Amino acid sequence: DVKVTQSSRYLVKRTGEKVFLECVQDMDHENMFWYRQDPGLGLRLIYFSYDVKMKEKGDIPEGYSVSREKKERFSLILESASTNQTSMYLCASSFRRQVTDEQYFGPGTRLTVT
Amino acid sequence: AQSVTQPDIHITVSEGASLELRCNYSYGATPYLFWYVQSPGQGLQLLLKYFSGDTLVQGIKGFEAEFKRSQSSFNLRKPSVHWSDAAEYFCAVGAGFQKLVFGTGTRLLVSP
Repeated sequence: DVKVTQSSRYLVKRTGEKVFLECVQDMDHENMFWYRQDPGLGLRLIYFSYDVKMKEKGDIPEGYSVSREKKERFSLILESASTNQTSMYLCASSFRRQVTDEQYFGPGTRLTVT
Repeated sequence: AQSVTQPDIHITVSEGASLELRCNYSYGATPYLFWYVQSPGQGLQLLLKYFSGDTLVQGIKGFEAEFKRSQSSFNLRKPSVHWSDAAEYFCAVGAGFQKLVFGTGTRLLVSP
């Protein structure tokens, strides 16, 4: 079974802090994704990566950056956390660079910025 | 731009009754369509997907969906709902090479 793990289920940070959210997949998938999930807005794509050190902006990249130094690990970085970044963050991975491939999701990290 | 509309925020269904969750999409070409389910405290899991061919698609857990191009719809159905089906359901459309655009979700409540 594919497993996508996220470093924390719950995280509380203060405004202005630098925040790292880590995601690891164990199935040698090429693609990895970061989404945020908000009530009434569904899932919105922040960034995705189709290879090591490669990244592309999604629909809402402002205030975020990403890092993919190894194929299995994809990090989301909030350079200076703000209260409007309080949300559920979901990581996902898929095998190939094709939209038809299933995305496998981690359990999510609920981030609260105070 | 691609978009997905799920018009129902919440739906309550009695256990054993049939279920239909609505999804309408906007996409210029033949769409790639997906339904995902999110159980409480968990990530999303793929229920089924449509790319081409037979417009009635079978998925896991007894779910099916029908693609209707004339109505730009991809509604999810199940003939008999179980209490364990209580979850949030997301419809998505493939947008470009690798991206998905998700709807806002429908939360299903199952009453005894």
